[in-house]
Amino acid sequence: NAGVTQTPKFQVLKTGQSMTLQCAQDMNHNSMYWYRQDPGMGLRLIYYSASEGTTDKGEVPNGYNVSRLNKREFSLRLESAAPSQTSVYFCASRGTVLNTEAFFGQGTRLTVV
Amino acid sequence: QKEVEQNSGPLSVPEGAIASLNCTYSDRVSQSFFWYRQYSGKSPELIMSIYSNGDKEDGRFTAQLNKASQYVSLLIRDSQPSDSATYLCAAPERGGNNRKLIWGLGTSLAVNP
Repeated sequence: NAGVTQTPKFQVLKTGQSMTLQCAQDMNHNSMYWYRQDPGMGLRLIYYSASEGTTDKGEVPNGYNVSRLNKREFSLRLESAAPSQTSVYFCASRGTVLNTEAFFGQGTRLTVV
Repeated sequence: QKEVEQNSGPLSVPEGAIASLNCTYSDRVSQSFFWYRQYSGKSPELIMSIYSNGDKEDGRFTAQLNKASQYVSLLIRDSQPSDSATYLCAAPERGGNNRKLIWGLGTSLAVNP
């Protein structure tokens, strides 16, 4: 049981390049999330998907797009990377019941130069 | 008031002492709480959850929830250097079908040998 698998672990981009972060979960969870974490800023929600076929903006969606490809997969795309997007990105998934916790992927450390 | 607030620390305790981590919350979150531990460079992992008023114990960890005063705490008994990490408090957003988790900024704990 792999849980939440996130790729890649590390990435360096040049300003203006694009890339897609991949995330897959095998826990049959309806909800999936993309967060970024910066020093002193905590976890900030970029986008989330409450169920297959739906996506919603979080706190910091600008510069990002997402796709909920199916129930298992939720990808995050940076169309034109900027240095301000240098961060650690986490994908997470969560079940439907109120009292269920979120499970996280291992994270992607992205540097935009 | 922010939905979920934590003292950023750092909290420094000697090995073997009790570490007390606190989180206050507003009416904008549901009263189900999750404590996560995050080691430097790693993803958050769940330590405990608590939904009912009172104490919940799991090994060296005790979570306490006081709904009247709107705070939740995590006590770590017999603190070990391996407990040195950032501790995050989270709760589901009230309404909005409870899909989003609201996160505190985290408290950094250092356990000194």
